[in-house]
Order: sequence, then C-alpha cells, then structure tokens
Amino acid sequence: AQSVAQPEDQVNVAEGNPLTVKCTYSVSGNPYLFWYVQYPNRGLQFLLKYITGDNLVKGSYGFEAEFNKSQTSFHLKKPSALVSDSALYFCAVRPPTDSWGKLQFGAGTQVVVTP
Amino acid sequence: NAGVTQTPKFRILKIGQSMTLQCAQDMNHNYMYWYRQDPGMGLKLIYYSVGAGITDKGEVPNGYNVSRSTTEDFPLRLELAAPSQTSVYFCASSTAASEAFFGQGTRLTVV
Repeated sequence: AQSVAQPEDQVNVAEGNPLTVKCTYSVSGNPYLFWYVQYPNRGLQFLLKYITGDNLVKGSYGFEAEFNKSQTSFHLKKPSALVSDSALYFCAVRPPTDSWGKLQFGAGTQVVVTP
Repeated sequence: NAGVTQTPKFRILKIGQSMTLQCAQDMNHNYMYWYRQDPGMGLKLIYYSVGAGITDKGEVPNGYNVSRSTTEDFPLRLELAAPSQTSVYFCASSTAASEAFFGQGTRLTVV
C-alpha cells in the first residue's frame, strides 16, 4: 500500500536556527513529491516539488528539499528559520501510476519557531 | 487572478440537513478535487474530476456527491449531514503536469 509518513507531529526551533521537517514515503516507482504549508485558517500553499532531476529542490520563502531515493525520503529544510515560518507543513506524494494528479498526504507537522 | 474560490467559508448544519459546497476555478484546469482535513489526519480525497462530465470516487466518498457540468465549477453535495462530516473541506485544481492549487477552505460543523 502507498503511504506518506511525517514522523514528527511538531518541530520546535529557535529563530535563526536550521529547520528540518521530515517526510518518508512508500510508493512504487518514481513518484512526484510535494511540500505544502498551511497557515491558520488558510488553504494550502505550494512550496516546492520534485519531479525528476537534481535531488536538491529549491522552493518558495527560502525552503528547499532533498530527495533521497535510497531512503525514500523528501525532507524539507530551511537554513535559518523565521518566526513567520510557524505553520503546519504537509508532505504529499503523487504516485507515478496516477494520471489524474491525485495526492496522498502525510498527517502534517506543526512547526513552531520561537523568537 | 482569483485561483480557486470556495463558498461558504463557514457553515453550521443540523444532523440530517443537506448542503452544497461551491468551488470555482479560473485557471482552466481540467483536474479538480475535493479533500477533507481532520486534525492529525492530513487531507483525504473525497471525489475528483478529470474534466466536465467526468467524476470519480476518492478515498472517503460516502455521504457525498459531486457533479462537474463545466470546467470551472465542481460543487460538493452533502446529503443527510452527520456529525462525522464535521471537518474542513478543501477544493483544489491542477493540470496533468502542475502542482495542485487549493482554495481557502470551508469549515463545516454538524450538530
């Protein structure tokens, strides 16, 4: 069965420190991988995606993610976190066998950045 | 550029009532989706559509219906609302190659 795991319910980090949000997946083949962010009472905003190519993907607001095929991981990173990065982050997978763009989401990780 | 627009933003329903959640997109996307978000559960796919007149069930379709008469609109119908349908509902759209674009959500409470 296909699945997406975000092993941490919450990540706490001090402002200015590096931020990492973990995601692993269990999908056959080469999936499309996405990160979205959700601010309180808002919809999901796209951050970045991996389709193919360079394993390090750069996205919006200074975020990047590293695709690791051997570990089936797609961790989100930011070198220096801001208080405004506090939000709920979702990893999502689109299986390569899916032609209709359907996404499977992880449970989400709440990021709290303290001043 | 409105993107994906959902109405209403909030709604309280009594058990057994029905309602339609509206979703419209102005990006000419063929693919549209309805997800529900429950705390700690991520988003689950309810229904999706790959074009006008074509819809299919997602992971959690029970208690819902959809229609897609135009490219722009993809309403979600709740029949006989139940407390288990208390959730936040998100509509999204995409193309075959793009990421999904999400609406602002509808927060529904069934009492």
